[in-house]
Amino acid sequence: DAGVTQSPTHLIKTRGQHVTLRCSPISGHKSVSWYQQVLGQGPQFIFQYYEKEERGRGNFPDRFSARQFPNYSSELNVNALLLGDSALYLCASSFRLAGGISSYEQYFGPGTRLTVT
Amino acid sequence: QKEVEQNSGPLSVPEGAIASLNCTYSDRVSQSFFWYRQYSGKSPELIMSIYSNGDKEDGRFTAQLNKASQYVSLLIRDSQPSDSATYLCAVREGSGYALNFGKGTSLLVTP
Repeated sequence: DAGVTQSPTHLIKTRGQHVTLRCSPISGHKSVSWYQQVLGQGPQFIFQYYEKEERGRGNFPDRFSARQFPNYSSELNVNALLLGDSALYLCASSFRLAGGISSYEQYFGPGTRLTVT
Repeated sequence: QKEVEQNSGPLSVPEGAIASLNCTYSDRVSQSFFWYRQYSGKSPELIMSIYSNGDKEDGRFTAQLNKASQYVSLLIRDSQPSDSATYLCAVREGSGYALNFGKGTSLLVTP
């Protein structure tokens, strides 16, 4: 089975611009989470979506938004880019076991490396 | 602020030795704990998950959890140079789904 896919792989943007990052979860996974990882730090939680609804939001400004589509793929949007938004953006997918029991294991995609100049 | 703490390293061990990676967390209600491996320039890869006190073994990896001490560790037996990477400890926050990560420990296995 294919793993989590993300596009694009790399992106260079200018301050003030807008960016859209895309993610497709593992087949059968209905939950997608987004994380930001800056160099030397662990990933920081941005959003989680399950069944197209936002289920969690991290401590990020309103410039960050996301959505999940009926096919469970997801987009992360960042407006008014700042130099500090330069980071590796990671998408992770997870699933629920039979009977509605949650599996909290999250599997990461390869990431999108965003550089803001 | 809920914290997940790891020694940044680098931790250097000779090939064939046991590498011991440690992690402490501040949120007492945390129930789920994960270890990820991240090679330079790559994304994190899930190695182990542990939910109950005690040890959980998977191949050369053993995760240990002590909720009373708020401590989780990862042991890597028969360390190989290919194990050289950054190891991230992650804790699921309360009843939510977000993972709270430590900064990671850099492991170097020398031939």
